[in-house]
Amino acid sequence: AQSVTQLDSQVPVFEEAPVELRCNYSSSVSVYLFWYVQYPNQGLQLLLKYLSGSTLVKSINGFEAEFNKSQTSFHLRKPSVHISDTAEYFCAVCRGTSYGKLTFGQGTILTVHP
Amino acid sequence: EPEVTQTPSHQVTQMGQEVILRCVPISNHLYFYWYRQILGQKVEFLVSFYNNEISEKSEIFDDQFSVERPDGSNFTLKIRSTKLEDSAMYFCASSGWPDSSGYTFGSGTRLTVV
Repeated sequence: AQSVTQLDSQVPVFEEAPVELRCNYSSSVSVYLFWYVQYPNQGLQLLLKYLSGSTLVKSINGFEAEFNKSQTSFHLRKPSVHISDTAEYFCAVCRGTSYGKLTFGQGTILTVHP
Repeated sequence: EPEVTQTPSHQVTQMGQEVILRCVPISNHLYFYWYRQILGQKVEFLVSFYNNEISEKSEIFDDQFSVERPDGSNFTLKIRSTKLEDSAMYFCASSGWPDSSGYTFGSGTRLTVV
């Protein structure tokens, strides 16, 4: 079975500061890794994903995450956050052969202050 | 961009009543899923559905729950006799592939059992 741990339940930062949201996973098999974002009163939106290839993946709005197999981590980073990045962020993993079942972390609430 | 549509957005029901949550997946997708998120907790997998049968289900998905794709376009989740602890946000998702790489989530139905 897979599990995901997001080490920080809440991360407050000031606008234009860098941020890192941490995610560690455990699995006995290869997995795909995802970050989802949930804005208030909205559904889950895919932010970025790692399936294979380059371990550094990027989103269109400036977030990036790096897959580190040896540390079983997939931390999310952004060099300069905006107020609009305030949301809850979920890390998730999927085992490729399990018909797409996603296992989510507990979520990290990112609050960007002016 | 294609969307997964869920109705209603919010449903209030009395304990013991049956509820049906409805989802319209993306038209050419083949894999369908339900997840739930109890307030303040992580998103949890309930069930996956492919080729008109359940592919995988979690321990949460007991005999009170059922899924159906009645007409080739809708995908429904039925809870036969709701309990207070069924109050949660329920997310539908669909994918064109079995490995979560092409997941799209709906915006959710908030179920409140009173």
